[in-house]
Amino acid sequence: NAGVMQNPRHLVRRRGQEARLRCSPMKGHSHVYWYRQLPEEGLKFMVYLQKENIIDESGMPKERFSAEFPKEGPSILRIQQVVRGDSAAYFCASIGGGAATNQPQHFGDGTRLSIL
Amino acid sequence: TQLLEQSPQFLSIQEGENLTVYCNSSSVFSSLQWYRQEPGEGPVLLVTVVTGGEVKKLKRLTFQFGDARKDSSLHITAAQPGDTGLYLCAGAPTDSWGKLQFGAGTQVVVTP
Repeated sequence: NAGVMQNPRHLVRRRGQEARLRCSPMKGHSHVYWYRQLPEEGLKFMVYLQKENIIDESGMPKERFSAEFPKEGPSILRIQQVVRGDSAAYFCASIGGGAATNQPQHFGDGTRLSIL
Repeated sequence: TQLLEQSPQFLSIQEGENLTVYCNSSSVFSSLQWYRQEPGEGPVLLVTVVTGGEVKKLKRLTFQFGDARKDSSLHITAAQPGDTGLYLCAGAPTDSWGKLQFGAGTQVVVTP
């Protein structure tokens, strides 16, 4: 999965702490998607961002979760006051410009979040 | 609710045999992508199909998109142990900003 960089690869947090997950898209890509993969489940869409804009956050939980993609720097998925149910693998994918529905999405290797 | 049904969930075959994985839905997709995922890694894109009836070949892998753009199949000819992995299909519904709906995956095991 060269190109899309996610860090950290593994993150351990205690209940109530904050988790910050970072995603740097492939070079030249300005659109980022975040997906969550719960244990024994498929990947589920969370949020779609372009630089400085949230386009679609219909898959994001209403509370504690937020995402941003600033003009400079990586996209950040932030989870406040984490709970055990937030334990999952979080993946981001990037595309270039153009019609988003036909663009192949390239994924990073994910961040495995574990809540103690 | 899983809108993309993948079958079978698990497939174990001998080296040299052929296999087919199916991905079905009642929804129409603008595009459909196939990925392969190894444990601890992210999905790796194999192919994107866009046109109804489209067939794409990638060495021993053949991908087909249904005429109505609701279903797809992945066929592997003469499977090798290196083909072992989790195969995922993912569709982008029309007017969806490209957000993918994933199937649950098919775990393929190819034994020597």
